[in-house]
Parts: sequence; C-alpha cells; structure tokens
Amino acid sequence: QVQVQASGPGLVKPSETLSLTCTVSRGSISTYYYSWVRQPAGKGLEWIGRMYTGGNTDYNPSLKSRVTMSIDTSKNQFSLKMTSVTAADTAVYYCARELTSWFDPWGQGTLVTVSS
Amino acid sequence: EIVLTQSPGTLSLSPGERATLSCRASQTISSSNLAWYQQKPGQAPRVLIYGATSRVTGIPDRFSGSGSGTDFSLTISRLEPEDFAVYYCQHYGGSVLFTFGPGTKVDVK
Repeated sequence: QVQVQASGPGLVKPSETLSLTCTVSRGSISTYYYSWVRQPAGKGLEWIGRMYTGGNTDYNPSLKSRVTMSIDTSKNQFSLKMTSVTAADTAVYYCARELTSWFDPWGQGTLVTVSS
Repeated sequence: EIVLTQSPGTLSLSPGERATLSCRASQTISSSNLAWYQQKPGQAPRVLIYGATSRVTGIPDRFSGSGSGTDFSLTISRLEPEDFAVYYCQHYGGSVLFTFGPGTKVDVK
C-alpha cells in the first residue's frame, strides 16, 4: 500500500525559504496528483497546492506568489518551497496523494516552526 | 470560493450514542466532490467518506454520509471509544481547488 512521508527542516528563520520533500514509497509516484496541506497548531486544514507527475501544478491563490512545487519521479519524491515565511507559516505540513477529489493516503506530517 | 461551515463545533456524547455532524456549503456543490475525514490528536487526517456517501474500504459501517446540494451529514450510528476525534468535511472544485470545513470535535460527555 502506497505511503507518503514528508521531511525537512523543523526550524526556518523569518523571511527565509521553507523547503520540504515528500517521499512516496511502496508504489510508483506516477499518474497521480500530490498535494501539500498544512495545519497550524489547534487549527484547521489549509490546502497549499498540488502537482501532477506530468508537471502540472495548481496552487492556493492565497499562497501562490510564495509557493513552488516540483517533482523528481526518479526518486519518487516531490517538493514544496515557500518563500518569505513568517510566524503565520508555522504549522504541521502534510503531503498526501489525491484520488479523484479526496486525499488518501496522508503522510504523518512534519512540524515547521518559523522563528529566529 | 466555496466556504464550508460545520456544526456543531463540539459534540459531547457518550459511547454507544448516535452522532450526526453537519457540513454546509456556501453554494450548491456536486456530491461527487464532498469527502469526510477523521483526525485524532497527533495524527494525520484519515478519509472516511468520499463522494458524499461512499465509505472507504476498511471504514466501519457505523460511519455513513448523506446529503446533496448545500447540506451534507456524517453519521456515526453508535460511537465507539476510538471514534472520539475531530471530523472535517472537504470539497474539491472552485477557485480554491480544495477547501476544508473548520471541523467538528466529538468528545466524551
């Protein structure tokens, strides 16, 4: 059964760039969309954007100016970069595979704290 | 942008009781694009229902989804101890491709 797992630095300084990687295991990364979703502590879920293995991307308009996603099919990995981070970007970041119109599976999430 | 509103914010019930959670969309949406998730503390969300009414393989049949148009519901027929969690509805489509409701917390009375 396919698994996804996000990883990356847990601490990022304000104004710097957040970089996360999601690794897909126990299956091929191909022919699916993969999304990033984040959740500030004690709050709800916010979709950041998605990428197709063919290279197409869609981003949340509220974050579009700061977000870039990429994919490396040879490594079964896809990545998220978010520039000019602030404390408001502190959250648990999840990667997830998209199935038609819902997400399954989700990775366990990685906490990113923006602080100097 | 489709806005999802969930009610109540918190539902306090006892094991064995029936739980009915509501998700209302700001405009008519396709039932095909409505999903429900369960999230326990420290865990990622887990999909329960997709297409408003279809249960994901492996999800107990005490979970059921219903609704159409702007009003959708998730029902847990008899609460088990492991069902106390936060539940989110999610919509696909619109200017923001994926939107989530604010969640309903089901806790022990």
